Amino acid sequence: AQSVTQLDSQVPVFEEAPVELRCNYSSSVSVYLFWYVQYPNQGLQLLLKYLSGSTLVKGINGFEAEFNKSQTSFHLRKPSVHISDTAEYFCAAPLSSGSARQLTFGSGTQLTVLP
Amino acid sequence: GAGVSQSPSNKVTEKGKDVELRCDPISGHTALYWYRQRLGQGLEFLIYFQGNSAPDKSGLPSDRFSAERTGESVSTLTIQRTQQEDSAVYLCASSREAVSYNEQFFGPGTRLTVL
Repeated sequence: AQSVTQLDSQVPVFEEAPVELRCNYSSSVSVYLFWYVQYPNQGLQLLLKYLSGSTLVKGINGFEAEFNKSQTSFHLRKPSVHISDTAEYFCAAPLSSGSARQLTFGSGTQLTVLP
Repeated sequence: GAGVSQSPSNKVTEKGKDVELRCDPISGHTALYWYRQRLGQGLEFLIYFQGNSAPDKSGLPSDRFSAERTGESVSTLTIQRTQQEDSAVYLCASSREAVSYNEQFFGPGTRLTVL
């Protein structure tokens, strides 16, 4: 099974509407969870991360995510999106095996905000 | 301060040629990672360096791929005898040290096209 799964490859949404981008993880990853955003022709930028503590994590640009252990999920949400949020979003986690330090990424979700 | 930089930003080469990609990490970051991003896919881990320790090469797809890093400075990723399936964006990231919970800072990537 894939370590980090993003269930939606494309999410179109109208401006000012709420959005949820889904991410599920497997037991093969450590429970340190990250969301990165990639704007066109740019590198990845960290949106937010969950390490421990409160299960609701707030990030930059009004995004938040909730860690749900029972559902092995870390869905990303924003209550009202802007055109500038159009980008590709990646959920990631480090592998839990051995001395792994690298991140394993989901396949990405392209968020397109429509006027 | 300056972020992670990569050069060249774009590289077009002919099948069978060797290419060298360069990454300048953030000053003071001891960990450096290389990832590959194929069109429409998530990032695949290739290799990481942590200080002067032996690199983790577990993600390199074949012996045509190699990477070097001198101390905590610049890294080069070399692909010998390039194949068309090597076409991808190659992303470099650095972090303060290679622990699972540290944020990785990404460069803008090098887009490699093998004709």
